[in-house]
Amino acid sequence: QQPVQSPQAVILREGEDAVINCSSSKALYSVHWYRQKHGEAPVFLMILLKGGEQKGHDKISASFNEKKQQSSLYLTASQLSYSGTYFCGTGAMYSGGGADGLTFGKGTHLIIQP
Amino acid sequence: DAGITQSPRYKITETGRQVTLMCHQTWSHSYMFWYRQDLGHGLRLIYYSAAADITDKGEVPDGYVVSRSKTENFPLTLESATRSQTSVYFCASTPGLGSNQPQHFGDGTRLSIL
Repeated sequence: QQPVQSPQAVILREGEDAVINCSSSKALYSVHWYRQKHGEAPVFLMILLKGGEQKGHDKISASFNEKKQQSSLYLTASQLSYSGTYFCGTGAMYSGGGADGLTFGKGTHLIIQP
Repeated sequence: DAGITQSPRYKITETGRQVTLMCHQTWSHSYMFWYRQDLGHGLRLIYYSAAADITDKGEVPDGYVVSRSKTENFPLTLESATRSQTSVYFCASTPGLGSNQPQHFGDGTRLSIL
């Protein structure tokens, strides 16, 4: 089942913060986050594995709540370059860690204005 | 340069024709995937492959055929193209087992079926 992302779209001013959420109805082994700019391929941001860890680099971080089967992506002090569509991709809980592709959400469109 | 390349980048064809989309990666990654991306649906998995000669269906496999005779190549064939298969197709690869590895995407093939 496809994870649900919220919000569908958000418009921010440069320097503001954003949170993008990803929820799944099934047990998760991993959550991936990707960013895609118009006309380009999705670009990997980070993976979170079960265990509730938080990751981050630069001003983008993410958390994974295994019990709630939710992940959130945090963008702080947003920059113009952060504009794009953000996708979460979930990996199901299989024995051995899973071997199939990801199930992606429909995406969150993020527009950063100067 | 190492990477994952797709060809052609753009393709226009007619209903009923056979068309093959190519995907080539130079990393010797074990896993390869085909996704289609449509407005309102995000990325949906068509087929995936764990190794040469091992392929399996994803979420939306109907109307598509894949093969993987060599680790580096993973072609996708539409045997009799239909208008509903107009989409952007992305190939991706990962180095290791399953959903705890980042996926690296090609630049995509924009396919229009008239």
